Amino acid sequence: GEDVEQSLFLSVREGDSSVINCTYTDSSSTYLYWYKQEPGAGLQLLTYIFSNMDMKQDQRLTVLLNKKDKHLSLRIADTQTGDSAIYFCAESISNTGKLIFGQGTTLQVKP
Amino acid sequence: GAVVSQHPSWVICKSGTSVKIECRSLDFQATTMFWYRQFPKQSLMLMATSNEGSKATYEQGVEKDKFLINHASLTLSTLTVTSAHPEDSSFYICSAPRDGFEAFFGQGTRLTVV
Repeated sequence: GEDVEQSLFLSVREGDSSVINCTYTDSSSTYLYWYKQEPGAGLQLLTYIFSNMDMKQDQRLTVLLNKKDKHLSLRIADTQTGDSAIYFCAESISNTGKLIFGQGTTLQVKP
Repeated sequence: GAVVSQHPSWVICKSGTSVKIECRSLDFQATTMFWYRQFPKQSLMLMATSNEGSKATYEQGVEKDKFLINHASLTLSTLTVTSAHPEDSSFYICSAPRDGFEAFFGQGTRLTVV
């Protein structure tokens, strides 16, 4: 079945870059997503990437996709304390809008 | 701004009562919406797919008589937790796909059953 794996925790210093990694199993996924969740809040769609792309950049966010290895990463440049949150990667199931989520990576940004 | 609105944000109810949670798409029509459940410090697990004009599709292990889903219109889906018990306490969150792939989430509902 489908499975999405993430590392559980990442700690960086303010101003450094953060890289959050994710692996997925469903090779038919057309879209892969990154969401941010702050404590007690819902999910904020940060960015998504179409499976025929290798990279997508949006301001401080860079998404890299290695389709061969089924590996997705999110790089946050110049990480700020406000970036502290849980980050989920997710893959779509046959483009139904139904998503399978990873366990979430808690990003801790130290001043 | 938000494109999917969920209400209420939090609710406390007594054991044995029922609770209704609403999910609305604000500026687009959603023939399909999804309901997820998130336990503390865990990931989101898909509970069911809400289909406008037809029955909901439930994931394995989710009791359909316990979690009633009604997709009343192209912009509204409701989840009713019936005869709630403390083990139903959780964070419930809905999503609606726009343009077939952009999955937007509501703010979530924190349910506490006492």
